[in-house]
Amino acid sequence: GAVVSQHPSWVICKSGTSVKIECRSLDFQATTMFWYRQFPKQSLMLMATSNEGSKATYEQGVEKDKFLINHASLTLSTLTVTSAHPEDSSFYICSAKTRMDEQYFGPGTRLTVT
Amino acid sequence: DAKTTQPPSMDCAEGRAANLPCNHSTISGNEYVYWYRQIHSQGPQYIIHGLKNNETNEMASLIITEDRKSSTLILPHATLRDTAVYYCIVRVGDMRFGAGTRLTVKP
Repeated sequence: GAVVSQHPSWVICKSGTSVKIECRSLDFQATTMFWYRQFPKQSLMLMATSNEGSKATYEQGVEKDKFLINHASLTLSTLTVTSAHPEDSSFYICSAKTRMDEQYFGPGTRLTVT
Repeated sequence: DAKTTQPPSMDCAEGRAANLPCNHSTISGNEYVYWYRQIHSQGPQYIIHGLKNNETNEMASLIITEDRKSSTLILPHATLRDTAVYYCIVRVGDMRFGAGTRLTVKP
């Protein structure tokens, strides 16, 4: 299957700082990328959908000014958590959809805000 | 997308078949049934998907009832490495996850 990578795999940052997470489709072009968040012992929650070259569509309750998404190319999307706080600590997972409508997930990024 | 219902947890003996059920009684005609699994602290892994016919690949088999209101994922010979949370998703568009079934394979 296709491969999706995320960087970094884990990050610790101080409260009030911003963190950028990258999501790359390594061997295919992704028309659409998705960002999910997963808290301990819970399921994945869709945060936003991004299409290359256009603004992301955010799910209800997700602050677009706090979670900045940029999808500048068909192989790269970034999620920036701005002014992070401890409650933003979570497991962030991206996925990418192929032209054949297959969806592949990255390995996730664990964010800890101290 | 249609809602799915899965048992919260199941156990299976190593080497035996694991049969994971999923109810999706409100599924519409163009929605596919997808199965993913998530091993602790990793991203979801695609297993299999189908529309109305039964499907089989190297990982599993998917049995969809004729009325498409339920399906069963079958892992024919479960191993300890199959311990994971298994998600059944019915979709046309975005992939949205329910609570899933936590499968524990025991020696």
